[in-house]
Amino acid sequence: DAKTTQPTSMDCAEGRAANLPCNHSTISGNEYVYWYRQIHSQGPQYIIHGLKNNETNEMASLIITEDRKSSTLILPHATLRDTAVYYCIVRVTANNNDMRFGAGTRLTVKP
Amino acid sequence: DTAVSQTPKYLVTQMGNDKSIKCEQNLGHDTMYWYKQDSKKFLKIMFSYNNKELIINETVPNRFSPKSPDKAHLNLHINSLELGDSAVYFCASSWGVADTQYFGPGTRLTVL
Repeated sequence: DAKTTQPTSMDCAEGRAANLPCNHSTISGNEYVYWYRQIHSQGPQYIIHGLKNNETNEMASLIITEDRKSSTLILPHATLRDTAVYYCIVRVTANNNDMRFGAGTRLTVKP
Repeated sequence: DTAVSQTPKYLVTQMGNDKSIKCEQNLGHDTMYWYKQDSKKFLKIMFSYNNKELIINETVPNRFSPKSPDKAHLNLHINSLELGDSAVYFCASSWGVADTQYFGPGTRLTVL
């Protein structure tokens, strides 16, 4: 059972920023927030993760609220190839490799 | 230069048969996993191996048996296949038990 809540689906216009929210109100102090995505018929792809500070890499930015009860994944300039299911996962990384995927958010980028 | 690869990509077989799915990673990772994604698209961990030793075995029927000949390979053998075994099976790997996991392309198993 996933410990996160995400909207079932979202649309975004091509070239615009896609902001995907995730609620994790029961997150513990030693749990990280991970984001993966799954493009149709492919394996899940790692995007980004963070503990409490905001993070940015070549794919996306992760904004975590100060109380850590929610976060937002930002794709700054969405393209059609970003259409996928996006999974927000919380996990304890110390001595634990168990990742529990929920239903995710189906993001559709439209031209 | 595929990081995590699986064979075959598609597998169609009859109920009652025994089949294997192979996974190889060339990332030098110590930990490998098997996940199952059912028809409702939920992705669930089945097994985890660290340095060829089993460290997670979720509630999976004992018809499923992972085999790790070396730390770069984790194969999944399934005995007496059932209709409910039809799913997409993903292999993944990571450096250690706490690190980011990287997934293979999946094997779509169809049991008739």
